[in-house]
Amino acid sequence: DVKVTQSSRYLVKRTGEKVFLECVQDMDHENMFWYRQDPGLGLRLIYFSYDVKMKEKGDIPEGYSVSREKKERFSLILESASTNQTSMYLCASSYRPNTQYFGPGTRLTVL
Amino acid sequence: DQQVKQNSPSLSVQEGRISILNCDYTNSMFDYFLWYKKYPAEGPTFLISISSIKDKNEDGRFTVFLNKSAKHLSLHIVPSQPGDSAVYFCAASVMYGGSQGNLIFGKGTKLSVKP
Repeated sequence: DVKVTQSSRYLVKRTGEKVFLECVQDMDHENMFWYRQDPGLGLRLIYFSYDVKMKEKGDIPEGYSVSREKKERFSLILESASTNQTSMYLCASSYRPNTQYFGPGTRLTVL
Repeated sequence: DQQVKQNSPSLSVQEGRISILNCDYTNSMFDYFLWYKKYPAEGPTFLISISSIKDKNEDGRFTVFLNKSAKHLSLHIVPSQPGDSAVYFCAASVMYGGSQGNLIFGKGTKLSVKP
C-alpha cells in the first residue's frame, strides 16, 4: 500500500510567520504534488516535482515555494503566511503523473 | 476556464438506490479519467479510473462510463450505502503525447446517502 504522510493534521499560525509543511512518501515515487482544497473551488495545484531538486509551478504558486532535496520528501513553504492561505493542504505522490495517492491533509489556519 | 466540470455541487440518494455522479470535460486531448472520494478532514482516496480506449470500467459497486463524443463521464454506485457519503472528485489527464499528465480536477460533488 502506498503511504503518504504529512507532518501535521492541524496547524495554527500567525500572519507573517514562515510555515513549513512536510510530506513524505514511502513508495519511491518520482512525482510529488502540493494542492490546496477550498470549499467550492475543488483541488488546486500549487507546485509539483518530477525529480529531486526539480520543481514546477502549478496553477496558484504565488506566496508559496517548495523544496525537494530527497526523493521521498516534498516540502511546501509559506514565506509569509497570510489569512487567505487558510486552507486544507494536500500532498500527493505518483509513479506516473496520472494516478496520484494523497496524504491525509493539513488543515492550516492563519490568524 | 474550467476544463473539468462537475455541475452538481450536491446529490442526495436513498440507501440501496443508484447514485449517479456526472462530469463533463472540454479538452479533447484528455485520455485518462479518474474518480476520487474524499471524507471530511481526510485526503482524497483513489476510487476508479478509465482510459479513453474503453467506455466502461467496473469495480464492485462502482462503474465509470465514458462517452467521448459527448465529453462526458459518470460514476454509478449501486447499491448506495451510507458509508458512500463523501465528496467525489472527477479528474482528467493526458496520458500520452508528451504532456506532463498532471491531473485536472473538477470542483467536486457532495453525495449524501440517507438510511
